Amino acid sequence: NAGVMQNPRHLVRRRGQEARLRCSPMKGHSHVYWYRQLPEEGLKFMVYLQKENIIDESGMPKERFSAEFPKEGPSILRIQQVVRGDSAAYFCASSPPAVGEQYFGPGTRLTVT
Amino acid sequence: GESVGLHLPTLSVQEGDNSIINCAYSNSASDYFIWYKQESGKGPQFIIDIRSNMDKRQGQRVTVLLNKTVKHLSLQIAATQPGDSAVYFCAEKGQAGTALIFGKGTTLSVSS
Repeated sequence: NAGVMQNPRHLVRRRGQEARLRCSPMKGHSHVYWYRQLPEEGLKFMVYLQKENIIDESGMPKERFSAEFPKEGPSILRIQQVVRGDSAAYFCASSPPAVGEQYFGPGTRLTVT
Repeated sequence: GESVGLHLPTLSVQEGDNSIINCAYSNSASDYFIWYKQESGKGPQFIIDIRSNMDKRQGQRVTVLLNKTVKHLSLQIAATQPGDSAVYFCAEKGQAGTALIFGKGTTLSVSS
């Protein structure tokens, strides 16, 4: 009974490169959420997706960031032309439909050099 | 606006003591609250949740209390153990009905 899986666990990118973060929800969960956590801070909501649909992206920066959750495969959070300020831990959570509880993955720690 | 905060950034207790971690929320329309535990280098781990139609819920060694009158949430940990050392976050379900809004966290340190 695997939990939420994220990969890679650590990602180093140079400024201007692209970062792709992947998230596989728990079995039976069709809702995926992405959060960002800066050092010494709480998690900030970025985007909420269901299969093939973005439901709420109110927390996503307007530029360079995008997310998808295709019919097959993991959810992807994509950051284009990364900058040092993008360095953070990115967490994915999943939940079953119509249930509030969200289960988190181990996170991807992005470092931009 | 919506915000969730914690009263104390750090809490130090002795092993075996009871711990109380507090959280104040500002959105009276929030109807769902969760406490998470986050250990260093790991993702948040669900501890216990409560809906706004309840004022108390108990789990194994943990109790969550909700006071809607003053918009206050607390997590009580009985017989605190060194393994309980972590950062604890409260989160509320915001008006959008989907995203969780997290506070900044309380770091619990348990000494033996």
